[in-house]
Amino acid sequence: DAEITQSPRHKITETGRQVTLACHQTWNHNNMFWYRQDLGHGLRLIHYSYGVQDTNKGEVSDGYSVSRSNTEDLPLTLESAASSQTSVYFCASSNQGYEDTQYFGPGTRLTVL
Amino acid sequence: GQQLNQSPQSMFIQEGEDVSMNCTSSSIFNTWLWYKQDPGEGPVLLIALYKAGELTSNGRLTAQFGITRKDSFLNISASIPSDVGIYFCAGVAGGTSYGKLTFGQGTILTVHP
Repeated sequence: DAEITQSPRHKITETGRQVTLACHQTWNHNNMFWYRQDLGHGLRLIHYSYGVQDTNKGEVSDGYSVSRSNTEDLPLTLESAASSQTSVYFCASSNQGYEDTQYFGPGTRLTVL
Repeated sequence: GQQLNQSPQSMFIQEGEDVSMNCTSSSIFNTWLWYKQDPGEGPVLLIALYKAGELTSNGRLTAQFGITRKDSFLNISASIPSDVGIYFCAGVAGGTSYGKLTFGQGTILTVHP
């Protein structure tokens, strides 16, 4: 079955380190999104992509970057991890023409010490 | 940026009771979505609404797209223990917000057997 996966599921890192979270989908969806979820804030959009080589900043993009070299993957990189980036991160994808129907991965819990 | 105000923040109900929650915004949205999130998992789409005034059901769930396009409601009838989770509303504004979801803060639902 087609799916969207994230790895790792849990990560503990130290302040200042570079961290990359992986997102992989097998639906061949054009659109991919990264969100962070914090108590009291719901889900907030970090970065998104409408296709290969396309990336865009979301609401809370500072300190994060993404790259889209193929359809299936959108890795999220924290250039220099900060304690404020401790959160649960969700990746999502949607198909062209059904952009509103986003399918979410299981999430990555990141702790920055 | 755009914000969605979701209420109530939490609900504690008895099994069999009906549940209502709503989402309001100062901005117009072209699409309203309702998601449910179980612990340790990503959000799952419950209902999508695409037209002002639209009323859509999915089993015991019923959602409405407000006439003003600035609000939406979700009702759950005859609640059962597996309804426990966090419910999120999300809106898509259209235009330059193509495909991007704005989420409410979530409603935490607890159902007592």
